Amino acid sequence: DAKTTQPPSMDCAEGRAANLPCNHSTISGNEYVYWYRQIHSQGPQYIIHGLKNNETNEMASLIITEDRKSSTLILPHATLRDTAVYYCIVRVGETSGSRLTFGEGTQLTVNP
Amino acid sequence: DSGVTQTPKHLITATGQRVTLRCSPRSGDLSVYWYQQSLDQGLQFLIQYYNGEERAKGNILERFSAQQFPDLHSELNLSSLELGDSALYFCASSPRQGARAFFGQGTRLTVV
Repeated sequence: DAKTTQPPSMDCAEGRAANLPCNHSTISGNEYVYWYRQIHSQGPQYIIHGLKNNETNEMASLIITEDRKSSTLILPHATLRDTAVYYCIVRVGETSGSRLTFGEGTQLTVNP
Repeated sequence: DSGVTQTPKHLITATGQRVTLRCSPRSGDLSVYWYQQSLDQGLQFLIQYYNGEERAKGNILERFSAQQFPDLHSELNLSSLELGDSALYFCASSPRQGARAFFGQGTRLTVV
């Protein structure tokens, strides 16, 4: 699986958009970008994933650059409950071994 | 609630002992994954089972073993426990290989 690079920490004001970047410059054509988050020692929670098109669900939006070397997770209106470690993971999609390789992630702190 | 149930939630045991952690996947999910999260190592993939068969192995020690039963629940056995085995152990499940994984709330193991 391709390696990812994320900033170790970010701050965001409550109610504002949180934009979390991820660099995955060695991504292969068949690799998806997945985002998970972990709220204080709870089990990681799936947020969103995509291949090359931008994706949106009820939790977040995922913007993937045209060359697919980087992406941004957007939480449109961050709340205090969004404070968590966010992991960007690149892995082959639904056709092969599916372990998730977690890096260090980004600690997002949402401030009141 | 992810639908993945792990028991027990907390476990305290002495060095040299053996423990068994149990995971009940979401109804119908065939894949089960085990992860270890310690303070200095982050989330580490241990092992994956798919419909009763071992499919992938990560950084799992020889003192650790796992299995998936016909009813699809899984157990992680940890033996000859050492202080360094103290960690959160997470189980995750997915309906098939490569699909998004749902994590349980973990078992916190403390070895004293």
